Amino acid sequence: GESVGLHLPTLSVQEGDNSIINCAYSNSASDYFIWYKQESGKGPQFIIDIRSNMDKRQGQRVTVLLNKTVKHLSLQIAATQPGDSAVYFCAVLSYNTDKLIFGTGTRLQVFP
Amino acid sequence: EAGVTQFPSHSVIEKGQTVTLRCDPISGHDNLYWYRRVMGKEIKFLLHFVKESKQDESGMPNNRFLAERTGGTYSTLKVQPAELEDSGVYFCASSQGFVTYNEQFFGPGTRLTVL
Repeated sequence: GESVGLHLPTLSVQEGDNSIINCAYSNSASDYFIWYKQESGKGPQFIIDIRSNMDKRQGQRVTVLLNKTVKHLSLQIAATQPGDSAVYFCAVLSYNTDKLIFGTGTRLQVFP
Repeated sequence: EAGVTQFPSHSVIEKGQTVTLRCDPISGHDNLYWYRRVMGKEIKFLLHFVKESKQDESGMPNNRFLAERTGGTYSTLKVQPAELEDSGVYFCASSQGFVTYNEQFFGPGTRLTVL
């Protein structure tokens, strides 16, 4: 079946540095990808998405890169702030369905 | 506008007992989803309602889990009897419309602990 994997369970960065969180997916037919942020005590919150016809999309301080050749997705956070501390999940829309396939999550810790 | 709400926020029960989780989606959202995250693992899809109908229940672990959405508004997820491996955080999400893909808005989750 389809799967999504994250490369690091935890990432620690210094405030002001850039963060990069990586994700890999298994199904080359996947065409929609989403990054979620989950803060303590809250549900996953949408950050940014990208479709398979793009390889890069930018938001406010966040950039998602998609490499379909190697089935790899990354989230870049510029000038990381303490408020960015959370668990980040990548998710793939399962092909031809409406269900999301999530990775295991990367906990981002920001220290001063 | 109120977001997705879930009740209770925490539930601690003993193995063999029954627990019912409730989800109130965003008003007007036809799609309602249940997901579960077991400690340290990925968030896994359980099932998807479109209005009151089960569109996809391929993620339901076994027949101890029963989800309902009578009237197409709120949904309940009952676990009976609960087992230790059912512990985790249960998330509900909702989205509007029938066009793929509509953003799924998540509730805060119910943390279930089975002792």
